[in-house]
Amino acid sequence: DQQVKQNSPSLSVQEGRISILNCDYTNSMFDYFLWYKKYPAEGPTFLISISSIKDKNEDGRFTVFLNKSAKHLSLHIVPSQPGDSAVYFCAASAPGAQKLVFGQGTRLTINP
Amino acid sequence: DAGITQSPRHKVTETGTPVTLRCHQTENHRYMYWYRQDPGHGLRLIHYSYGVKDTDKGEVSDGYSVSRSKTEDFLLTLESATSSQTSVYFCAISRTGTVNTEAFFGQGTRLTVV
Repeated sequence: DQQVKQNSPSLSVQEGRISILNCDYTNSMFDYFLWYKKYPAEGPTFLISISSIKDKNEDGRFTVFLNKSAKHLSLHIVPSQPGDSAVYFCAASAPGAQKLVFGQGTRLTINP
Repeated sequence: DAGITQSPRHKVTETGTPVTLRCHQTENHRYMYWYRQDPGHGLRLIHYSYGVKDTDKGEVSDGYSVSRSKTEDFLLTLESATSSQTSVYFCAISRTGTVNTEAFFGQGTRLTVV
């Protein structure tokens, strides 16, 4: 039972354009959402997060949008750069759960 | 770098042998986690700890045990390794008392069971 789903295993985007990565969840108790970025042979690194009391959070080139009614979040990267090529994981947690649930990941490739 | 060290970084072992992976943190955080990463499955929680001698199961705990006798060390043991446990294992810590903040991950241990 996959509570957090990233339905696109891969995404290819031209340098300078917008990258949009999507994530869906099924557990309505989730109230905190995060995006992680992972390069090969390294551990995942935290990128950006959003609480369920917000619908948008920005940090430089990265913006996360949350649509609670649709149980959907997305990560926008503008403009995309070659260094953004990585695997991106979304994650979620419920109040008091003390743990994160991750999606399957999306491999983003930025083409020059 | 959140002060997390995993050892070993790579290991090849035979089916049926016990294996122990170590996670060491230098920052005295209460929460520690073990995840495995597999293609098509993302990161799945194996076990986690919320204090010395306090541990709980995650979603894929069968075949694994953990111990935390000191705040800084969290050990993951594969009691009798199987080929399905070939994976990349990540340890993580949470810097506050809840997970409503980012978790920080170690570099990973690539385990191959032959």
